[in-house]
Amino acid sequence: GQQVMQIPQYQHVQEGEDFTTYCNSSTTLSNIQWYKQRPGGHPVFLIQLVKSGEVKKQKRLTFQFGEAKKNSSLHITATQTTDVGTYFCARAGSARQLTFGSGTQLTVLP
Amino acid sequence: NAGVTQTPKFRVLKTGQSMTLLCAQDMNHEYMYWYRQDPGMGLRLIHYSVGEGTTAKGEVPDGYNVSRLKKQNFLLGLESAAPSQTSVYFCASSYIQQALYNEQFFGPGTRLTVL
Repeated sequence: GQQVMQIPQYQHVQEGEDFTTYCNSSTTLSNIQWYKQRPGGHPVFLIQLVKSGEVKKQKRLTFQFGEAKKNSSLHITATQTTDVGTYFCARAGSARQLTFGSGTQLTVLP
Repeated sequence: NAGVTQTPKFRVLKTGQSMTLLCAQDMNHEYMYWYRQDPGMGLRLIHYSVGEGTTAKGEVPDGYNVSRLKKQNFLLGLESAAPSQTSVYFCASSYIQQALYNEQFFGPGTRLTVL
């Protein structure tokens, strides 16, 4: 299948530090979606990117879509304990089915 | 609105037993999906449906069957459970909007253990 690779798998940061997770594909992506899953919870949609070079912000979260539409990143500025969870990127197929990356598990140390 | 609901929340089966997981959504969404989540592997698509009466295979369909007899319900069946099917199962739904890939709304999940 058309995989999306996500790195790192785990990230531990001190509260207040920044955090970035990366999503890469060997083929051009039509779109990329980002989801957050809190421990013991279910994935919750954060954002969708569709345009080359697109940058979107949600408060302390910045999402980028690469110029070649083969990579994407999620950056969190000044992490807080509420940011704890696993962040997934996902690409949508022709029937809108999602192929997920393996996720980055973020731990924020107080 | 309840959104996407799943029953049961937890289940323990013995190898060879069968069971059905129920997903229901009250958002009038056309598309529904079943995923499984295993540690360190993200979510993998089992089966999906693009409308009432239709189903299609996803990435890991073996050992599972599905049915979408009503628009609001999507059932996932395990005919003969195996320990490899121990996982957390998530149902999701999404709406149709032409030319856009839309967000999926996930249910709370079912934790299944097969002994």
